[in-house]
Amino acid sequence: EVQLVESGGGLVQPGGSLTLSCAASGFIFSDHYIDWVRQAPGKGLEWVGRIRNKADSYSTEYAASVKGRFTLSRDDSKHSLYLQMNSLKTEDTAVYYCTRDSTIYYIDYWGQGTLVTVSS
Amino acid sequence: QSALTQPASVSGSPGQSITISCTGTSSDVGAYNHVSWYQQYPGKAPKLMIYEVNNRPSGVPDRFSGSKSGNTATLSISGLQAEDEADYYCNSYVNSNTLWVFGGGTKLTVL
Repeated sequence: EVQLVESGGGLVQPGGSLTLSCAASGFIFSDHYIDWVRQAPGKGLEWVGRIRNKADSYSTEYAASVKGRFTLSRDDSKHSLYLQMNSLKTEDTAVYYCTRDSTIYYIDYWGQGTLVTVSS
Repeated sequence: QSALTQPASVSGSPGQSITISCTGTSSDVGAYNHVSWYQQYPGKAPKLMIYEVNNRPSGVPDRFSGSKSGNTATLSISGLQAEDEADYYCNSYVNSNTLWVFGGGTKLTVL
């Protein structure tokens, strides 16, 4: 069974930093691209970023709203993914979902999400 | 990249059929057959219902179907059931840098 479990969410002040983790199991983690998608309270889904697999040099892409502030990394030996978030803004408040790409064109599995609240 | 346009809400009675539209542009929905649909219950993670316009993952009832014409994709649900009441989001591939764009979501109410 494919499982993605996020952790690390919490309350942080504007301008602060936070690192989210995603632990994967039930599939060959190293084969897959992984994306993060967020959802602000009562709002829709917003793609945040992608990290590709080793075959594609672990390259990354980011949404314009987070580029330069967020950094994705992964440790295939630990089946884990990390989202380093710096210079956080109130508008970054959201549930952050770790997701698995079935192919490069769609997401097939989602974690349960972790809530990040940016507030003073 | 602007969000795809979905109706805020749709409703139907049990047993009826409904459709949810998802309108984009010639740069996203109209450019590729890479449209997917997700179902989300309150407080839960989204679940894949349709991928590549009209494909159902294993386990998704065949009451759910997808289609596309030009810049608009459509999710159809036949034989509505109470358990179908949820939010539905469409998603389209854009390019290798921007990746994806989501619709604003549609709340389906089963009357």
